[in-house]
Amino acid sequence: EDQVTQSPEALRLQEGESSSLNCSYTVSGLRGLFWYRQDPGKGPEFLFTLYSAGEEKEKERLKATLTKKESFLHITAPKPEDSATYLCAVQAGGTGGGNKLTFGTGTQLKVEL
Amino acid sequence: GAVVSQHPSWVICKSGTSVKIECRSLDFQATTMFWYRQFPKQSLMLMATSNEGSKATYEQGVEKDKFLINHASLTLSTLTVTSAHPEDSSFYICSARVTGRDEQYFGPGTRLTVT
Repeated sequence: EDQVTQSPEALRLQEGESSSLNCSYTVSGLRGLFWYRQDPGKGPEFLFTLYSAGEEKEKERLKATLTKKESFLHITAPKPEDSATYLCAVQAGGTGGGNKLTFGTGTQLKVEL
Repeated sequence: GAVVSQHPSWVICKSGTSVKIECRSLDFQATTMFWYRQFPKQSLMLMATSNEGSKATYEQGVEKDKFLINHASLTLSTLTVTSAHPEDSSFYICSARVTGRDEQYFGPGTRLTVT
């Protein structure tokens, strides 16, 4: 069974204080790993897709990296508007995986002035 | 691009009634759509995968006769919660996959409250 574990559950940062969120996964043949941002009461917003170990993707203050066992979401010099829950999800490859995503429970990030 | 809408955004219904939620892909065609359920401070739980023109595939433990899914066109999927009970109260979110791509784009969600 595919599993995704995110840590920490919650993170409080001061504005400008860089940090990283972790996503550990076990999956039978990784097809893709996805990062989403979710604001309270809204649907998740797509951020990144990573496919292979060593791959990196960047968007503004966010950078996602991938190894064979985990992914990191690095947040550089965060601002209060970066406050949200960040979700990690994996998609298994092969005929059994289909398009199904398995989500972690997320890291709730709060950035304070 | 890749915008998904849901309607209604919130609904309150009485126990025993049925509620229909619509999910539309506004600027792309989606052969596959997904329905999730999310409880407070918990992650998304996949309920079913909806393929245009065919029967939905339900996850283990999800009652297909209670949660009716129809994907009649490439831009519309509907979820009907039949004979709703208070325990069905939740945040329901749909997503759609752009043909040929792996990522899913999510709608804004529907808050269902059953009284």
